[in-house]
Amino acid sequence: DTAVSQTPKYLVTQMGNDKSIKCEQNLGHDTMYWYKQDSKKFLKIMFSYNNKELIINETVPNRFSPKSPDKAHLNLHINSLELGDSAVYFCASSQAGTSGNEVTGELFFGEGSRLTVL
Amino acid sequence: GQNIDQPTEMTATEGAIVQINCTYQTSGFNGLFWYQQHAGEAPTFLSYNVLDGLEEKGRFSSFLSRSKGYSYLLLKELQMKDSASYLCAVLDSNYQLIWGAGTKLIIKP
Repeated sequence: DTAVSQTPKYLVTQMGNDKSIKCEQNLGHDTMYWYKQDSKKFLKIMFSYNNKELIINETVPNRFSPKSPDKAHLNLHINSLELGDSAVYFCASSQAGTSGNEVTGELFFGEGSRLTVL
Repeated sequence: GQNIDQPTEMTATEGAIVQINCTYQTSGFNGLFWYQQHAGEAPTFLSYNVLDGLEEKGRFSSFLSRSKGYSYLLLKELQMKDSASYLCAVLDSNYQLIWGAGTKLIIKP
């Protein structure tokens, strides 16, 4: 069974379109994340949700809107896609939250969704 | 600002030993992680250090010096499958992971 699964794995679309990436984890973790990895290979946190509540919202454009219907799912919706949005987007989950809970030391990543905006 | 520095690329020979360094400047410290990422795949957890010293796990070891803001990942008996990027990440005072850009390790026969 895949622990963290995200779909689609590849997404090619035109500028200006709206797209969504879905993520689900079956690990029972309380915290889920969205990361963006650009061509320079930096992993940058975008959002973090703990028990369906937004904990971290880095300075990403408001065209990006995360939605967490329950603690096992964290979807990412992107409006009005731009060329600079092309990247690999990773969903991840962990047992540790950002509220000072004990750190278990491990993020579990999905396989990544490669978004290409033309 | 917060900063994680590690070499962009390193090359080593199969069977040899390689040390990948990481220096950090962060607001607070709640631990340092090393992740391995093969091309086109997701990062996978290698190690977590929160106290000074060396943690050994099979062929991989990770060292931490909090006073120096320094860590290294030591890989022994290198195998071709160890060719990957190695990412250093620090958990800051807000329990947010700050990532380095990764070190691409190339293993030659």
